[in-house]
Amino acid sequence: EAQVTQNPRYLITVTGKKLTVTCSQNMNHEYMSWYRQDPGLGLRQIYYSMNVEVTDKGDVPEGYKVSRKEKRNFPLILESPSPNQTSLYFCASQVLYRVDQPQHFGDGTRLSIL
Amino acid sequence: RKEVEQDPGPFNVPEGATVAFNCTYSNSASQSFFWYRQDCRKEPKLLMSVYSSGNEDGRFTAQLNRASQYISLLIRDSKLSDSATYLCVVTPPWRSGGYQKVTFGIGTKLQVIP
Repeated sequence: EAQVTQNPRYLITVTGKKLTVTCSQNMNHEYMSWYRQDPGLGLRQIYYSMNVEVTDKGDVPEGYKVSRKEKRNFPLILESPSPNQTSLYFCASQVLYRVDQPQHFGDGTRLSIL
Repeated sequence: RKEVEQDPGPFNVPEGATVAFNCTYSNSASQSFFWYRQDCRKEPKLLMSVYSSGNEDGRFTAQLNRASQYISLLIRDSKLSDSATYLCVVTPPWRSGGYQKVTFGIGTKLQVIP
């Protein structure tokens, strides 16, 4: 089954404790992206990647890191989480250069930073 | 002007009603358009693509007006199960090696009432 898998689904942690949210897709998509969603603000892009070793900042990259060492994986790293990073996070992937193809989303990760 | 604008609603409509949402976009070069449905705190799921000629899928009709730079979603004979948030998505043309920004609207909340 074609899917985007995020882990963990839920995480409660404390300020300053490094964490990683993993994202993996099995569709051989070149493009992957991380979003956060907050009430009243909609989906905001954190980072995106056009292919292996090609990443760039989205609209709200501060406090986040990503890497793309393999095509299928795109982890989101919070080196020193803070309470303002409490949010619902989505990973998505997409075929490049096909305007008719939509983004596919993971199930989401709910992060609470205390 | 925001890149993509939607009325956040909520739209409260009775079962059986017809309801329409619009979404305006600012980049006239935008290439592809989609409507996604998002249930409360879950991942966005593709509802339908939007084509220049307009397209229909059962009770749902999507249209694109390039001259006025908006897309629309019409839902006929609303069901209780249609209650959700509807996100419009706008994508610029893919450019080889170029920056690719997929923009989501904030979403329009629909509540269908018995």
